[in-house]
Amino acid sequence: ERVMTQSPATLSVSPGDRATLSCRASQNVINNLAWYQQKPGQAPRLLIYGASTRATGIPARFSGSGSGTEFTLTISSLQSEDFAVYYCQQYNNWPLTFGGGTKVEIK
Amino acid sequence: QLQLQESGPGLVKPSETLSLTCTVSGGSISSSSYYWGWIRQPPGKGLEWIGSIYYSGSTYYNPSLKSRVTISVDTSKNQFSLKLNSVTAADTAVYYCARQLGTNWFDPWGQGTLVTVSS
Repeated sequence: ERVMTQSPATLSVSPGDRATLSCRASQNVINNLAWYQQKPGQAPRLLIYGASTRATGIPARFSGSGSGTEFTLTISSLQSEDFAVYYCQQYNNWPLTFGGGTKVEIK
Repeated sequence: QLQLQESGPGLVKPSETLSLTCTVSGGSISSSSYYWGWIRQPPGKGLEWIGSIYYSGSTYYNPSLKSRVTISVDTSKNQFSLKLNSVTAADTAVYYCARQLGTNWFDPWGQGTLVTVSS
């Protein structure tokens, strides 16, 4: 099983600042990685797939990078609606696994 | 626009079977491009993939739950279902259904349904 580790657990950021979230895989997942955003009381929403491809309708301030075991989600200029929990998910191998999440909160 | 909606009891007794159905609207569950998945989230915790099914009935399950899980599909009703037996309090969670592109990422998701295991 690929264990996905996200860091930090909580990130305090001021609106307008840049946020950088990390996701590490215990073994190589190539670029088979997705990122999701989850707001309180809502289902997760797909942001990024293929490690770096934005899903339909996702603003350009969200970008993904990385391959192999190290991945990054960057939000270039945080808007009020971006404060949420972010999860990574690998789909290179069964079982599909998610990271534990990073909460992005207002500083 | 594709939509998914979970339905089923919100309260299940310990040792009994949790049963949920996901109804797909705005698209066909028989599309060759997609699997259909179940994911759960205990209160205040992260996401756990439960299993996925193809319209033909082919399934993949999380080994951690495999002995207790059955996922089935009813193409005539555009639905797929989850059964989890011998539940305990640890199975209390919000259960989501979602469309899966191939065997890859999930998009979109249903709104989720909270299932509480309690006597």
